[in-house]
Amino acid sequence: AQKITQTQPGMFVQEKEAVTLDCTYDTSDQSYGLFWYKQPSSGEMIFLIYQGSYDEQNATEGRYSLNFQKARKSANLVISASQLGDSAMYFCAMREVMEYGNKLVFGAGTILRVKS
Amino acid sequence: DAGVTQSPTHLIKTRGQQVTLRCSPKSGHDTVSWYQQALGQGPQFIFQYYEEEERQRGNFPDRFSGHQFPNYSSELNVNALLLGDSALYLCASSSPGQGAAWYGYTFGSGTRLTVV
Repeated sequence: AQKITQTQPGMFVQEKEAVTLDCTYDTSDQSYGLFWYKQPSSGEMIFLIYQGSYDEQNATEGRYSLNFQKARKSANLVISASQLGDSAMYFCAMREVMEYGNKLVFGAGTILRVKS
Repeated sequence: DAGVTQSPTHLIKTRGQQVTLRCSPKSGHDTVSWYQQALGQGPQFIFQYYEEEERQRGNFPDRFSGHQFPNYSSELNVNALLLGDSALYLCASSSPGQGAAWYGYTFGSGTRLTVV
């Protein structure tokens, strides 16, 4: 079974600076997908970025980029030019393919606080 | 384009009671998954519905049951509520036919259930 580990319970970053949120994963599958979601206090899980295991380049979406190191089984999220609105909970997740469907396996999350 | 809609947003129930949570998927999505997110933790997969059938189930007791309707909307039912069932319940919709370009789910804002 897949496992996601996020070792940073909380992070602080100064507005306009970059921050890296760590994520390591464990899987025996050769093909897999990794996701990052943002969860503000409203509760909605907002999709940020996706990285497929066979993607040759690191994924980028605007200010978000994923530092994918396959050999180390890490998929860190980098947020550039932090904004106050980036303050939220961030979850790393992996897609697990099951017999008749699929699900997301989530890490415990990292709370990010952006300081002005 | 409406996203995933969940109702109610908040709910307070007494131990031993039963509760029904509702979810309308994003337009074009036919698969609905439910997740339980306890305070301070990542979401945990409950089950997934496709073509009005439960296709996959996570490690949750039979007190948790669901239903999917012909219009793809879904209900989550929890019987004999326990204090430990207090959590944010997230509904996520997806379409299984996206193959390798599958980017995961669209989540709703959740229903916050408090059992007293």
